[in-house]
Amino acid sequence: DVKVTQSSRYLVKRTGEKVFLECVQDMDHENMFWYRQDPGLGLRLIYFSYDVKMKEKGDIPEGYSVSREKKERFSLILESASTNQTSMYLCASSMRGLAANTGELFFGEGSRLTVL
Amino acid sequence: SQKIEQNSEALNIQEGKTATLTCNYTNYSPAYLQWYRQDPGRGPVFLLLIRENEKEKRKERLKVTFDTTLKQSLFHITASQPADSATYLCALKGSTLGRLYFGRGTQLTVWP
Repeated sequence: DVKVTQSSRYLVKRTGEKVFLECVQDMDHENMFWYRQDPGLGLRLIYFSYDVKMKEKGDIPEGYSVSREKKERFSLILESASTNQTSMYLCASSMRGLAANTGELFFGEGSRLTVL
Repeated sequence: SQKIEQNSEALNIQEGKTATLTCNYTNYSPAYLQWYRQDPGRGPVFLLLIRENEKEKRKERLKVTFDTTLKQSLFHITASQPADSATYLCALKGSTLGRLYFGRGTQLTVWP
């Protein structure tokens, strides 16, 4: 069964803390994505990556950075957490190229982050 | 980028009826459009894809239509059941490889 695993389902952090959200996929997918989801705003893309060590900014990259040192792992980093980063964070992966016939995204279960 | 509108935030219907959800977009017609289901506290799950050259796609009780003239997709669930209650998201392929744009979703409640 294909899987995208996010390291933490729930986190509570304090303002100014550095936060790491980890995501691992076991499908050998090239593409990986980080979204945040807020009520009334839907899914918004933070960063994505097409390959190891590659990253592209999404729609709301401010306050975030990412790391992709291995194909299966994509990390989201909040350098200095703020209360407006309280949200549900969703990681996803997909195939690339001719194999990506449907462009289907496989999502993790989400990480709910609360910043106090 | 795309602007995507899912016409209602919430839809309540009686069991056995057909639920119809709407997704409208404003810019270029995408190569394909997808529908996802999301349950509370979970990640979205892919349901169906329809390509720009397809008018209709079916999967069991689900039917999706795609009208590039109207810039609209309709998502139907026939013979709806309480277990169909969830939020349904439409997503459009962007011009950037692999990129999807999501609507805000429609929360469907099917009551017995």
